[in-house]
Amino acid sequence: DIQMTQSPSTLSASVGDRVTITCRASQSSRNWLAWYQQKPGKAPKVLIYQASSLESGVPSRFSGSGYGTEFTLTISGLQPDDSATYYCQQYNTFPWTFGQGTKVEI
Amino acid sequence: EVQLVESGGGLAQPGGSLRLSCTASGFTFDNFEMNWIRQTPGQGLEWVSNISSSGSSPLYADSVKGRFTTSRDNAKNSLFLQMNNLRAEDTAIYYCATGATYFQKWGQGTLVIVSS
Repeated sequence: DIQMTQSPSTLSASVGDRVTITCRASQSSRNWLAWYQQKPGKAPKVLIYQASSLESGVPSRFSGSGYGTEFTLTISGLQPDDSATYYCQQYNTFPWTFGQGTKVEI
Repeated sequence: EVQLVESGGGLAQPGGSLRLSCTASGFTFDNFEMNWIRQTPGQGLEWVSNISSSGSSPLYADSVKGRFTTSRDNAKNSLFLQMNNLRAEDTAIYYCATGATYFQKWGQGTLVIVSS
């Protein structure tokens, strides 16, 4: 299975900050990577797919980049509503696997 | 509005069984592959199973293969997860979600607790 490792595990930032979360794959996932946001008591919500494509309805302050084994999620201009846990997920190779999550505190 | 509603969770004994359901509305259910994904505090998110739009050839994570069975009834816009021989490590919130690769729409989840 492809192991997905996110860093940092927790991130504290202020409103308006630019924050970056990294996701590393144990083997190449090409660009088959998605990012999700999860708030307490809620299901995850997809933000980015195919490494850099913004899901419909997601604010443009979210962006993704990367290829192969290293990927990043960037939030430009952090908002109070962005307080959540963020997960990456590879879908290059079955079984699909997730990172362990990054909690963003504002 | 797309809606997925899971049901059937609860308390089961080790070795016991539960059947989860996921009822879909707001989209053409039989056009979409469906998945079960579970979440535990310790293990995070784990993809469990995928089923094609027609219901053929379900796929399973190794951790549940041979114990869990996924099926669907497109006439009733419903997805099912039959869970047999449950173990303590199956304790989790179970979500159904649409998608062949990444997961676009999710239900609210149903909690399964396996304990004696």
